[in-house]
Amino acid sequence: SQQGEEDPQALSIQEGENATMNCSYKTSINNLQWYRQNSGRGLVHLILIRSNEREKHSGRLRVTLDTSKKSSSLLITASRAADTASYFCATASKETSGSRLTFGEGTQLTVNP
Amino acid sequence: GAVVSQHPSWVICKSGTSVKIECRSLDFQATTMFWYRQFPKQSLMLMATSNEGSKATYEQGVEKDKFLINHASLTLSTLTVTSAHPEDSSFYICSALGGRVNQPQHFGDGTRLSIL
Repeated sequence: SQQGEEDPQALSIQEGENATMNCSYKTSINNLQWYRQNSGRGLVHLILIRSNEREKHSGRLRVTLDTSKKSSSLLITASRAADTASYFCATASKETSGSRLTFGEGTQLTVNP
Repeated sequence: GAVVSQHPSWVICKSGTSVKIECRSLDFQATTMFWYRQFPKQSLMLMATSNEGSKATYEQGVEKDKFLINHASLTLSTLTVTSAHPEDSSFYICSALGGRVNQPQHFGDGTRLSIL
């Protein structure tokens, strides 16, 4: 079963705006990862944040992690039409095999040109 | 970056056919490979975890005799859907992981399986 919950389920914005997606989880984690999936394709890894980290940046992406609230957010700044995709958070739990990931339900982002 | 190749990308076949899907890590050794199933507009559901040289670990509710997994080398894992039926139609995705901790999984491009 999927332990992660993401909100919103769908987000539609204009090009140039920022997009924020949130993820909550239930167990203690080793790390939390964000992936992007274009329609009909595999997943592309975006950022991995470890349980002892609070914030991480990569280009236009910013990820935060609050282990006390068991939540994470992904911020995409200055969005582009090419950012249109589904975004998933995934957690590597301390309670199961460290490499096994549990995925959230995903956020469908549409960036309108 | 790490590349995972998954073949075929699309399969259409008759009910009762067995279908083999390959997952290869092209530029790294994958100690662990994972197989996922994804229904339209839904998230990924882990089917099984495959370690090189050992039997796969299946998730609850996944029939191991239906979904045969072989991980014969550090760069290749295969998933065979035996005697496929229309309800097996789905998007199947593999991922691979090297031996280091706190590393992301690297995903193939998925296989769209349609059983008529």
